[in-house]
Parts: sequence; structure tokens; C-alpha cells
Amino acid sequence: AQSVTQPDIHITVSEGASLELRCNYSYGATPYLFWYVQSPGQGLQLLLKYFSGDTLVQGIKGFEAEFKRSQSSFNLRKPSVHWSDAAEYFCAVVQGGTALIFGKGTTLSVSS
Amino acid sequence: GAGVSQTPSNKVTEKGKYVELRCDPISGHTALYWYRQSLGQGPEFLIYFQGTGAADDSGLPNDRFFAVRPEGSVSTLKIQRTERGDSAVYLCASSWGGGNEQFFGPGTRLTVL
Repeated sequence: AQSVTQPDIHITVSEGASLELRCNYSYGATPYLFWYVQSPGQGLQLLLKYFSGDTLVQGIKGFEAEFKRSQSSFNLRKPSVHWSDAAEYFCAVVQGGTALIFGKGTTLSVSS
Repeated sequence: GAGVSQTPSNKVTEKGKYVELRCDPISGHTALYWYRQSLGQGPEFLIYFQGTGAADDSGLPNDRFFAVRPEGSVSTLKIQRTERGDSAVYLCASSWGGGNEQFFGPGTRLTVL
């Protein structure tokens, strides 16, 4: 069965610094990969997705992610973090063409 | 409506009681999903509807959990004989057919005392 691992439970980044959140997946074929963000009291919002093609994908709010098949990774990056980026971030892969399998999430704190 | 809505936003019940959680998907979305998110965890898949039928219910934890979508729009997740371990946030999502981008509702926080 497919699985997603987010190795970092909690990360703290200074405002204005760069960010990288790690995601590793287990999947036999070419995966459909997603990053979602969840702010307190808010629903999950899609940041970006990878289906095929260019391995560097751009998303909303200045985020990007790079698909690396050789490393089974889909890490999320942002060059300059804003205080409003503090939230929980989830990486997910589609299983069976429908259901999303999520990682346990990484909580991002932003220090001033 | 503009997005997926879920009611109630919070539900507190006692162990052994029956609860129903409602999801209103985005108009026109044929696919509907239920997930459960326990504290400190990512959402876990429960069930997927394509139209009125449950296309994949492999995530339902046991037969106390049941979901319906009789007219292919609104869905209700039903939990019988609730247990304290059922306490979680129940998320609903919808999409234009299976496999496409899923739009999530704000969730229903269920607390079983």
C-alpha cells in the first residue's frame, strides 16, 4: 500500500528565511502528489500538485515543490517565509486513483 | 454554495449514542469523500462516493460507520454506538470526478464523552 512520510514533526523558521519541508512517498508507479496547508480552524487548502511533466511545480502563496523519483521525494520549498505561513502542512499521494493518503504533517512555526 | 460545507461544526455526544454528520459538496461535483483526522495525525480516508454509490468504502473502520448519498449531492456519515476513540475531526471533500483535485470542508469536530 502507498504511504507518505513527513520526517519533521515541527519546524521553526525565522521570518524572511527560506523553508524546506520534506516528504517521502512509497508508491510503485508514477504518483500523483499534493501539498495541503491547514491553518487553525480552517479546512485543508491545496498548495500545489504534481501529476506529470515538469518536476518543479509552482503553487499558490509563493510555494514550489520538486518531484525527485530517484529519492521518492516531493519536498516543499519557499524562498522567504512570512509570519502568515505558520500552519500545518500535509503531503499526500493519491491511492487507487481516488483516495488521498496523507502524511502525519509538519507544523511550521515562524519566529520574528 | 462557494465551497464544501459541513454541519454541525462541533458535536458532543455520550458514549453509546448515535450521531449523523452532514456534508454539502460543491455544486456539480460528482465525487465526495469522507476522511477522519485524529489529534496530531493526517487525515485518514474513510469512504468515496461517485454519484449516489459508494465506490470505495475500504477505509471505514468497522460496521458502526455508515455513509449515504441518496441523491448524489448531500452526504451523511452515520456512526452508531459511538466510542471515545471515535473522537476526531471528520472532514468531507468533493471533486469533479474521482482522481481530481479535492476541495475540503472545514470539518466537524466530534467529541465522545
